[in-house]
Amino acid sequence: EDKVVQSPLSLVVHEGDTVTLNCSYEVTNFRSLLWYKQEKKAPTFLFMLTSSGIEKKSGRLSSILDKKELFSILNITATQTGDSAVYLCALNDMRFGAGTRLTVKP
Amino acid sequence: SAVISQKPSRDICQRGTSLTIQCQVDSQVTMMFWYRQQPGQSLTLIATANQGSEATYESGFVIDKFPISRPNLTFSTLTVSNMSPEDSSIYLCSVRHSGTSGRNEQFFGPGTRLTVL
Repeated sequence: EDKVVQSPLSLVVHEGDTVTLNCSYEVTNFRSLLWYKQEKKAPTFLFMLTSSGIEKKSGRLSSILDKKELFSILNITATQTGDSAVYLCALNDMRFGAGTRLTVKP
Repeated sequence: SAVISQKPSRDICQRGTSLTIQCQVDSQVTMMFWYRQQPGQSLTLIATANQGSEATYESGFVIDKFPISRPNLTFSTLTVSNMSPEDSSIYLCSVRHSGTSGRNEQFFGPGTRLTVL
Protein backbone atom coordinates (compact mmCIF):
# COMPACT_ATOMS: atom_id res chain seq x y z
CA GLU A 1 0.00 0.00 0.00
CA ASP A 2 1.23 3.50 -0.81
CA LYS A 3 2.64 5.27 2.23
CA VAL A 4 3.92 8.75 3.10
CA VAL A 5 5.91 9.33 6.29
CA GLN A 6 6.94 12.78 7.46
CA SER A 7 9.45 13.70 10.12
CA PRO A 8 9.75 15.28 12.51
CA LEU A 9 6.12 15.58 13.57
CA SER A 10 6.84 18.90 15.21
CA LEU A 11 9.71 21.34 15.31
CA VAL A 12 10.33 24.55 17.26
CA VAL A 13 13.01 26.96 16.07
CA HIS A 14 13.91 30.63 16.39
CA GLU A 15 13.74 33.25 13.71
CA GLY A 16 16.73 33.07 11.42
CA ASP A 17 17.25 29.33 11.86
CA THR A 18 17.31 26.92 8.93
CA VAL A 19 15.00 23.92 9.01
CA THR A 20 14.83 20.71 7.03
CA LEU A 21 11.60 18.75 6.84
CA ASN A 22 11.61 15.16 5.66
CA CYS A 23 9.18 13.11 3.63
CA SER A 24 9.77 9.47 2.75
CA TYR A 25 7.42 7.40 0.70
CA GLU A 26 6.55 4.02 -0.68
CA VAL A 27 4.55 3.85 -3.86
CA THR A 28 3.77 1.41 -6.62
CA ASN A 29 3.74 3.94 -9.45
CA PHE A 30 5.29 7.30 -8.71
CA ARG A 31 3.93 10.28 -10.58
CA SER A 32 4.58 13.27 -8.36
CA LEU A 33 5.28 14.43 -4.83
CA LEU A 34 3.78 17.66 -3.57
CA TRP A 35 4.50 19.95 -0.63
CA TYR A 36 1.89 22.14 1.02
CA LYS A 37 1.77 24.71 3.79
CA GLN A 38 -1.32 24.65 6.00
CA GLU A 39 -1.85 27.58 8.34
CA LYS A 40 -5.57 27.51 9.01
CA LYS A 41 -8.02 25.45 7.02
CA ALA A 42 -6.93 25.06 3.42
CA PRO A 43 -3.43 23.90 2.42
CA THR A 44 -1.46 26.16 0.11
CA PHE A 45 0.50 24.57 -2.72
CA LEU A 46 4.28 24.98 -2.53
CA PHE A 47 5.98 22.51 -4.88
CA MET A 48 5.30 19.68 -7.25
CA LEU A 49 8.28 17.39 -7.82
CA THR A 50 8.27 14.85 -10.59
CA SER A 51 11.93 14.11 -11.19
CA SER A 52 14.98 13.97 -9.01
CA GLY A 53 16.53 17.36 -8.40
CA ILE A 54 15.90 20.73 -6.83
CA GLU A 55 13.05 23.15 -7.33
CA LYS A 56 13.01 26.57 -5.71
CA LYS A 57 9.77 28.25 -4.81
CA SER A 58 11.20 31.38 -3.36
CA GLY A 59 14.54 32.57 -2.13
CA ARG A 60 14.03 30.86 1.25
CA LEU A 61 12.19 27.68 0.32
CA SER A 62 13.62 24.84 -1.68
CA SER A 63 12.89 21.16 -2.06
CA ILE A 64 14.79 18.11 -3.22
CA LEU A 65 13.40 14.83 -4.51
CA ASP A 66 15.41 11.64 -4.55
CA LYS A 67 13.50 9.00 -6.50
CA LYS A 68 16.17 6.40 -5.92
CA GLU A 69 16.08 6.65 -2.13
CA LEU A 70 12.35 7.52 -2.11
CA PHE A 71 12.41 10.73 -0.13
CA SER A 72 12.04 14.44 -0.40
CA ILE A 73 13.15 17.28 1.84
CA LEU A 74 11.83 20.79 2.23
CA ASN A 75 14.34 23.41 3.33
CA ILE A 76 13.45 26.76 4.79
CA THR A 77 16.31 29.17 5.40
CA ALA A 78 16.26 32.33 7.53
CA THR A 79 12.94 31.30 9.04
CA GLN A 80 10.37 33.92 10.02
CA THR A 81 7.42 33.74 12.39
CA GLY A 82 5.17 33.71 9.34
CA ASP A 83 6.62 30.34 8.39
CA SER A 84 4.86 28.79 11.39
CA ALA A 85 2.45 26.24 9.93
CA VAL A 86 1.92 22.56 9.28
CA TYR A 87 3.87 21.41 6.24
CA LEU A 88 2.30 18.52 4.39
CA CYS A 89 3.81 16.14 1.88
CA ALA A 90 1.49 14.37 -0.56
CA LEU A 91 2.00 11.60 -3.06
CA ASN A 92 0.48 11.04 -6.50
CA ASP A 93 -3.24 11.01 -6.10
CA MET A 94 -3.03 13.12 -2.99
CA ARG A 95 -2.22 10.72 -0.21
CA PHE A 96 -1.00 12.97 2.54
CA GLY A 97 1.56 12.43 5.25
CA ALA A 98 0.79 13.35 8.84
CA GLY A 99 2.54 16.68 8.46
CA THR A 100 5.28 18.52 10.33
CA ARG A 101 4.14 21.29 12.65
CA LEU A 102 6.75 24.06 12.50
CA THR A 103 6.77 26.79 15.11
CA VAL A 104 9.11 29.73 14.60
CA LYS A 105 9.66 31.82 17.73
CA PRO A 106 10.70 35.47 17.57
CA SER B 1 -5.06 29.76 -10.70
CA ALA B 2 -8.41 28.48 -9.49
CA VAL B 3 -10.60 30.09 -6.86
CA ILE B 4 -12.77 27.67 -4.94
CA SER B 5 -15.68 28.44 -2.66
CA GLN B 6 -17.48 26.08 -0.35
CA LYS B 7 -20.85 26.29 1.36
CA PRO B 8 -21.54 26.14 4.19
CA SER B 9 -18.32 27.27 5.86
CA ARG B 10 -19.41 25.55 9.04
CA ASP B 11 -22.39 23.74 10.47
CA ILE B 12 -23.51 22.00 13.62
CA CYS B 13 -25.75 19.03 12.97
CA GLN B 14 -27.68 16.44 14.91
CA ARG B 15 -26.81 12.79 14.83
CA GLY B 16 -28.67 10.87 12.12
CA THR B 17 -29.18 13.85 9.80
CA SER B 18 -27.42 14.56 6.50
CA LEU B 19 -25.54 17.59 5.24
CA THR B 20 -24.70 18.52 1.66
CA ILE B 21 -21.56 20.55 1.06
CA GLN B 22 -21.25 22.55 -2.12
CA CYS B 23 -18.03 23.31 -3.99
CA GLN B 24 -17.90 25.94 -6.73
CA VAL B 25 -14.81 26.63 -8.87
CA ASP B 26 -14.27 29.72 -11.02
CA SER B 27 -12.71 27.64 -13.83
CA GLN B 28 -13.64 24.46 -15.63
CA VAL B 29 -11.71 21.55 -14.18
CA THR B 30 -11.76 17.89 -15.02
CA MET B 31 -10.96 16.38 -11.67
CA MET B 32 -12.31 17.46 -8.31
CA PHE B 33 -11.34 15.86 -5.03
CA TRP B 34 -13.02 15.68 -1.66
CA TYR B 35 -10.93 15.38 1.50
CA ARG B 36 -11.59 15.06 5.19
CA GLN B 37 -9.35 16.38 7.91
CA GLN B 38 -10.27 15.19 11.37
CA PRO B 39 -9.09 17.17 14.38
CA GLY B 40 -5.33 17.05 14.74
CA GLN B 41 -4.87 14.80 11.73
CA SER B 42 -3.73 15.10 8.16
CA LEU B 43 -5.93 15.14 5.08
CA THR B 44 -7.58 11.94 3.91
CA LEU B 45 -8.87 11.61 0.38
CA ILE B 46 -12.52 10.57 0.33
CA ALA B 47 -13.15 10.39 -3.39
CA THR B 48 -12.32 11.77 -6.81
CA ALA B 49 -15.22 13.27 -8.74
CA ASN B 50 -15.05 13.46 -12.52
CA GLN B 51 -17.75 15.14 -14.54
CA GLY B 52 -19.98 12.69 -16.33
CA SER B 53 -18.98 9.61 -14.39
CA GLU B 54 -19.43 8.14 -10.95
CA ALA B 55 -17.05 9.23 -8.24
CA THR B 56 -14.17 6.96 -7.33
CA TYR B 57 -14.04 6.28 -3.60
CA GLU B 58 -10.99 5.50 -1.51
CA SER B 59 -10.75 2.55 0.80
CA GLY B 60 -12.94 3.08 3.84
CA PHE B 61 -15.39 5.42 2.13
CA VAL B 62 -18.61 4.33 0.41
CA ILE B 63 -21.14 6.01 -1.82
CA ASP B 64 -24.05 5.39 0.52
CA LYS B 65 -22.35 7.34 3.27
CA PHE B 66 -20.75 10.06 1.09
CA PRO B 67 -22.76 10.47 -2.12
CA ILE B 68 -21.15 12.90 -4.54
CA SER B 69 -22.60 14.80 -7.47
CA ARG B 70 -20.64 16.38 -10.31
CA PRO B 71 -23.19 17.90 -12.66
CA ASN B 72 -20.73 20.10 -14.57
CA LEU B 73 -17.08 21.15 -14.78
CA THR B 74 -17.31 23.87 -12.14
CA PHE B 75 -19.46 22.38 -9.39
CA SER B 76 -19.66 19.39 -7.07
CA THR B 77 -21.45 18.40 -3.90
CA LEU B 78 -20.54 15.99 -1.14
CA THR B 79 -23.26 14.71 1.18
CA VAL B 80 -22.41 13.33 4.61
CA SER B 81 -25.28 10.97 5.34
CA ASN B 82 -26.69 9.64 8.59
CA MET B 83 -24.10 11.58 10.53
CA SER B 84 -22.48 10.52 13.76
CA PRO B 85 -20.06 12.43 16.02
CA GLU B 86 -17.20 10.59 14.31
CA ASP B 87 -18.00 12.53 11.14
CA SER B 88 -17.05 15.78 12.85
CA SER B 89 -14.27 17.07 10.66
CA ILE B 90 -13.23 19.69 8.14
CA TYR B 91 -14.28 18.71 4.62
CA LEU B 92 -12.23 20.20 1.81
CA CYS B 93 -12.85 20.38 -1.90
CA SER B 94 -9.79 20.47 -4.16
CA VAL B 95 -9.02 20.76 -7.86
CA ARG B 96 -6.04 20.53 -10.16
CA HIS B 97 -5.51 23.53 -12.39
CA SER B 98 -2.67 25.39 -14.03
CA GLY B 99 -1.08 27.76 -11.57
CA THR B 100 1.38 30.63 -11.64
CA SER B 101 4.19 28.13 -12.18
CA GLY B 102 2.64 27.18 -15.49
CA ARG B 103 2.20 23.64 -14.29
CA ASN B 104 -0.79 21.91 -12.82
CA GLU B 105 -1.15 22.77 -9.17
CA GLN B 106 -3.53 21.62 -6.50
CA PHE B 107 -5.91 24.21 -5.09
CA PHE B 108 -8.08 23.78 -2.03
CA GLY B 109 -11.32 25.36 -1.00
CA PRO B 110 -11.61 27.08 2.38
CA GLY B 111 -13.19 23.99 3.91
CA THR B 112 -16.42 23.21 5.72
CA ARG B 113 -16.14 22.66 9.45
CA LEU B 114 -18.74 20.11 10.49
CA THR B 115 -19.64 19.35 14.08
CA VAL B 116 -22.02 16.50 14.79
CA LEU B 117 -23.66 16.43 18.20
